[in-house]
Amino acid sequence: DTGVSQNPRHKITKRGQNVTFRCDPISEHNRLYWYRQTLGQGPEFLTYFQNEAQLEKSRLLSDRFSAERPKGSFSTLEIQRTEQGDSAMYLCASSLTGGNLDEKLFFGSGTQLSVL
Amino acid sequence: QKEVEQNSGPLSVPEGAIASLNCTYSDRGSQSFFWYRQYSGKSPELIMSIYSNGDKEDGRFTAQLNKASQYVSLLIRDSQPSDSATYLCAVKNDMRFGAGTRLTVKP
Repeated sequence: DTGVSQNPRHKITKRGQNVTFRCDPISEHNRLYWYRQTLGQGPEFLTYFQNEAQLEKSRLLSDRFSAERPKGSFSTLEIQRTEQGDSAMYLCASSLTGGNLDEKLFFGSGTQLSVL
Repeated sequence: QKEVEQNSGPLSVPEGAIASLNCTYSDRGSQSFFWYRQYSGKSPELIMSIYSNGDKEDGRFTAQLNKASQYVSLLIRDSQPSDSATYLCAVKNDMRFGAGTRLTVKP
């Protein structure tokens, strides 16, 4: 078990370009979350998956953002037509939950996006 | 819109003092509450979880939950400089986080 892995660690792109990030959760973890975090703020919820099903997506998220978890394992987050305001740390977390009250998130190291 | 609010910081306490961190939430259906700690430049890590009204103690940490008031808090006793970090409140079902409270413990 190597923990939650995110790639790339850093991404620099020009405004208007598309970017895609990948998250590999801890194996057998059924839930996967995406967050965005800027300096001095808490993680902002973007979306989460239960296995391959996307259960919720933040209403704050524009249509430029899309996420997939096609086989219930790794996930990708794509941002189309990037804007400077998209610059942030994008965090992925996974958990194993059986529908009970307890749930511990394990976070990856994040992907730092800079939009020039 | 589901909201998780934390008391504005930063919070500074002397070493050995009690640090008190507060969190309120808007979704009355929430049943599970979590406190995460995030050191500068690192990812969040879980400290404690709480599901029932009342207090839950784990070492120097005590979580308190009042569902009627939609309020959850974290007390850190005998604060140490190594406790200096940002503390994040999270609420299930969709694991939304508050903005965090930055705590500094001064030697």
